[in-house]
Amino acid sequence: QVQLKQGGTGLLKPSETLSLTCGVSGGSLSGYYWAWIRQPPGRGLEWIGHIDQGGSTNSNPSLKSRIIMSVDPSKKQVSLKLSFMTAADTALYYCARVLAKYSIDVWGKGTTVTVSS
Amino acid sequence: QSALTQPASLSASPGQSITISCTGTNTDFGTSDFVSWYQLHPDKAPQLLIYDVTERPSGISGRFSGSKSGNTASLTISGLQPDDEADYYCSSYTSNDRFIVFGGGTKLTVL
Repeated sequence: QVQLKQGGTGLLKPSETLSLTCGVSGGSLSGYYWAWIRQPPGRGLEWIGHIDQGGSTNSNPSLKSRIIMSVDPSKKQVSLKLSFMTAADTALYYCARVLAKYSIDVWGKGTTVTVSS
Repeated sequence: QSALTQPASLSASPGQSITISCTGTNTDFGTSDFVSWYQLHPDKAPQLLIYDVTERPSGISGRFSGSKSGNTASLTISGLQPDDEADYYCSSYTSNDRFIVFGGGTKLTVL
């Protein structure tokens, strides 16, 4: 059974860069997109972006200029960096596996990220 | 503002059926079958309920069903149970920007 293990820093100051990782166990990176999704407190889900094993990415236009996504096939790990964090970026951040027709069948447990001075 | 519009909340009694709507534009899913539905319980990872508009993943109860007509997709839950009380989100693939959009979410209360 595929599992996603998320890691990274949960507390940042404004203007800092968020760094999150997502390790994949029990399955292959190949054949899927690997996505980042967030949910601000009391609000809905927001697609951040996704990457495939080859490193091709697509990002939410509203965040695109601040996002760097990468993949390390040897570690079976994907990573997200989101720069210039503000309080508006405070959210629960999920890593997830995306199937060919853009449904998400496996989710990580989420990482709570708080931006506060 | 979400690209897909869902009712903010719905409530029903155990045993009843409810339908959650998800309305978008032609760009969002007017001609797309890439519509999914998710259930979010507090402190649990989200769960995929429906994909490709009508398909259920293995292990998902037949009480959950999906449909789409024009620019509106729907999730129907029949025989409501207390554990169905959760937040429900639709999603679709946008052909313009080539990424996923979510609805604003519907909080279902089972009275």
